[in-house]
Amino acid sequence: ETGVTQSPTHLIKTRGQQVTLRCSSQSGHNTVSWYQQALGQGPQFIFQYYREEENGRGNFPPRFSGLQFPNYSSELNVNALELDDSALYLCASSVNRGLNEKLFFGSGTQLSVL
Amino acid sequence: EDQVTQSPEALRLQEGESSSLNCSYTVSGLRGLFWYRQDPGKGPEFLFTLYSAGEEKEKERLKATLTKKESFLHITAPKPEDSATYLCAVQYSGGGADGLTFGKGTHLIIQP
Repeated sequence: ETGVTQSPTHLIKTRGQQVTLRCSSQSGHNTVSWYQQALGQGPQFIFQYYREEENGRGNFPPRFSGLQFPNYSSELNVNALELDDSALYLCASSVNRGLNEKLFFGSGTQLSVL
Repeated sequence: EDQVTQSPEALRLQEGESSSLNCSYTVSGLRGLFWYRQDPGKGPEFLFTLYSAGEEKEKERLKATLTKKESFLHITAPKPEDSATYLCAVQYSGGGADGLTFGKGTHLIIQP
C-alpha cells in the first residue's frame, strides 16, 4: 500500500508566476484535502475534493484552485503568486469525506516565492 | 482571535520526565478534536480523535483527554524519539466543510 506522494518536493518561483503542485492519494482513498503551512504555523485548510468536485473551501482567494482526477489524484494551482504564498503545501487523503475522517498527509511541497 | 491555541509553544524535557501539552479551543459545535505529530520535513501523522467531553484515548506513552473547552496530551516517561511538533486540530459546525482548524503546535524536545 503506497502512501500519499507529492511532487515536486521543492519549488522556487517569482512573484506573479503560476504554479501547479501534484498529489497522488493513498490507495482506496477518494477524498483529497490541501493545506498551507507557513513557517512556525499550523496547517491552514485550503479546500477539499471528493469524487472530482470541490467539497468545501477555507479562507483562500480564487487564485487558489484545484482539480481531482478519476484516479483520485489531485492538483493545486496558484495563480499570480505573492511573496506570502511561500509555505509548505500539504496534501492529505482520506477514505471518504465527512465527519472525523482520519487524514493521511504527504510530506509536502516547499514553495518559495521570490 | 485564534480558535485553537496550544501551549506551551516549546517544551524541553529530560528523558523519562512526564508532562502535558494543552490545546484550548473557542469554537462551538465541536464535531471532533484531533492530535497529530509532525516530524521535521514531513507531513503530520495522525495520533487520536476525541469526540466528546470526558473521552480519553491512549497509545504507547501518549494519552489524550478532552473537556468542554480544552484537550490535554499527556506524555509519560518520554523517550528521545518522542521529539516532534504536536499539533491539535478541531472540526466544527461552521468550519470550512470538513476542513480541520489547526493550532500552531507545541515543539517538544526530549533530551537523553
